[in-house]
Amino acid sequence: DAKTTQPPSMDCAEGRAANLPCNHSTISGNEYVYWYRQIHSQGPQYIIHGLKNNETNEMASLIITEDRKSSTLILPHATLRDTAVYYCISYNAGNNRKLIWGLGTSLAVNP
Amino acid sequence: NAGVMQNPRHLVRRRGQEARLRCSPMKGHSHVYWYRQLPEEGLKFMVYLQKENIIDESGMPKERFSAEFPKEGPSILRIQQVVRGDSAAYFCASSPGGLPAETQYFGPGTRLLVL
Repeated sequence: DAKTTQPPSMDCAEGRAANLPCNHSTISGNEYVYWYRQIHSQGPQYIIHGLKNNETNEMASLIITEDRKSSTLILPHATLRDTAVYYCISYNAGNNRKLIWGLGTSLAVNP
Repeated sequence: NAGVMQNPRHLVRRRGQEARLRCSPMKGHSHVYWYRQLPEEGLKFMVYLQKENIIDESGMPKERFSAEFPKEGPSILRIQQVVRGDSAAYFCASSPGGLPAETQYFGPGTRLLVL
């Protein structure tokens, strides 16, 4: 079973920031938080990952709470093409290399 | 640098036939993973392979399913005597093999439909 919990769906207005939460209260100390998204049944697309510190790349920002029990993925200026299912996964390749997927959050970006 | 490639993208088989799904990892990646996604469900891990070795097949059904990643050529997921319940999207991912944070990159998937 997935070790993370996410709201099943969210809406966001185009051009606004989309903030997607994830709870991972049982995350192990050496596990990273990974985010992927899947656009309309295409292959999952890697977005970002982090361990303790906040991370930012060209796609998104990842904010991890100090206790590491939750995180938020931020899409700073959502576009219609960001409509997708977003998955939060806790993972450490040194433990095992399975990505355990939940049902994710279905984000709808509205014009 | 080409991404993970999978073929065919769509595959139709009749019950009892064999399905062969192919996956070419990203250049420089020596680790391959197969996942299955049933309709309206999340992805489920099936198998993890390195060149010529199956490392973890804990998610593979015990019968009819097999996977290989030969020294040369793509990884193959083989499903013998397909049944309707095998209809799903099969995704392959690859990674370079580093630790501990190692990103898996996914291909576009093969959609298998069993009639």
